[in-house]
Amino acid sequence: SQQGEEDPQALSIQEGENATMNCSYKTSINNLQWYRQNSGRGLVHLILIRSNEREKHSGRLRVTLDTSKKSSSLLITASRAADTASYFCATGGNNRLAFGKGNQVVVIP
Amino acid sequence: DTAVSQTPKYLVTQMGNDKSIKCEQNLGHDTMYWYKQDSKKFLKIMFSYNNKELIINETVPNRFSPKSPDKAHLNLHINSLELGDSAVYFCASSRAGGSSYNEQFFGPGTRLTVL
Repeated sequence: SQQGEEDPQALSIQEGENATMNCSYKTSINNLQWYRQNSGRGLVHLILIRSNEREKHSGRLRVTLDTSKKSSSLLITASRAADTASYFCATGGNNRLAFGKGNQVVVIP
Repeated sequence: DTAVSQTPKYLVTQMGNDKSIKCEQNLGHDTMYWYKQDSKKFLKIMFSYNNKELIINETVPNRFSPKSPDKAHLNLHINSLELGDSAVYFCASSRAGGSSYNEQFFGPGTRLTVL
């Protein structure tokens, strides 16, 4: 199965700053999804980008996909304290999603 | 109006015991999943059911047995619990099977601690 792998580093930023995190994967994909997990909660779907798309926006989120480099990035603009969470990318097919280890983002008020 | 619910939220038990975790979704989805998240937050799929039929069974010990009485429920029974089973178990659901374009909806998780 395919697997997304985030850069394994935590990110600590001030409220209002932008947060960028990256994800790399190993095999061909149909799409790539990003999820958020707040502490003690389940994952929440944020955005899906298809393999034929290069960039996608949703509110303060911007996702890019570079299939030639097998990588994706998630940008959160104008971060808020409520954005403090772990962010996971996931790839897969036939109902099999493979999640990476996640990026911990802490937004300091 | 919880979309995907799990019970219990916390489960503390002794090694060797048998326990069950229940999951229900009211989204009308056809596909349900069980994931295990370890202490490093790595999330791995264990099982997937589509319309009550098992479609994914990762290399999970056969001490773990999922049961889907109907497409809105997917329970997980674990026999002879071991220390390494300690983790957070998430149930999830999505629309019709066969596509990776469907987002998955996760339950709040069940934190299992084996002593």
